[in-house]
Amino acid sequence: AQSVTQPDIHITVSEGASLELRCNYSYGATPYLFWYVQSPGQGLQLLLKYFSGDTLVQGIKGFEAEFKRSQSSFNLRKPSVHWSDAAEYFCAVGAGGATNKLIFGTGTLLAVQP
Amino acid sequence: NAGVTQTPKFRILKIGQSMTLQCTQDMNHNYMYWYRQDPGMGLKLIYYSVGAGITDKGEVPNGYNVSRSTTEDFPLRLELAAPSQTSVYFCASSYLAEQYFGPGTRLTVT
Repeated sequence: AQSVTQPDIHITVSEGASLELRCNYSYGATPYLFWYVQSPGQGLQLLLKYFSGDTLVQGIKGFEAEFKRSQSSFNLRKPSVHWSDAAEYFCAVGAGGATNKLIFGTGTLLAVQP
Repeated sequence: NAGVTQTPKFRILKIGQSMTLQCTQDMNHNYMYWYRQDPGMGLKLIYYSVGAGITDKGEVPNGYNVSRSTTEDFPLRLELAAPSQTSVYFCASSYLAEQYFGPGTRLTVT
């Protein structure tokens, strides 16, 4: 069965520092992969997605992610974090089939220190 | 274009009461979903629909019901509220595998 693991529950970085959030997935075929961000009290907003092609994908707000099939990973990166990036980040994998269902990881809560 | 809207934003229920969480989308998407979000657990799929008149259970359907009479609306019904249903509920619609989320309903059952 498909699954997503986000090993880091909580991460704190300093403003201006680089960021990498880890995501590992389990899926038999080429997966559809997503990163969503959730600000406090808000819904989820799509940051970026990978369906096929170039394994380095660019998203909104200066984020990027790299699909590595050999490592079953889809880590999210940002070169310089801003205080407004403090939020919870969710990785998700498409469950396959014709239903467009997603399987979500448990999330990583990012805190940004001034 | 309002996207996905949910009402109410907040609600407190007593044990055993019933309520309906409303979800509407104006993007003409066939696929719609209901999730619940609990701290440290990510999002769990309750029910989903692939089109008007078609619904199916997700990972955690017990205690909930849904209907889909139109493309736009996908209400979630709680018949006998229990404390275990205290959660934040999100509705989403989907097009080309990408899901679009509503702002959520925070429900407390006491």
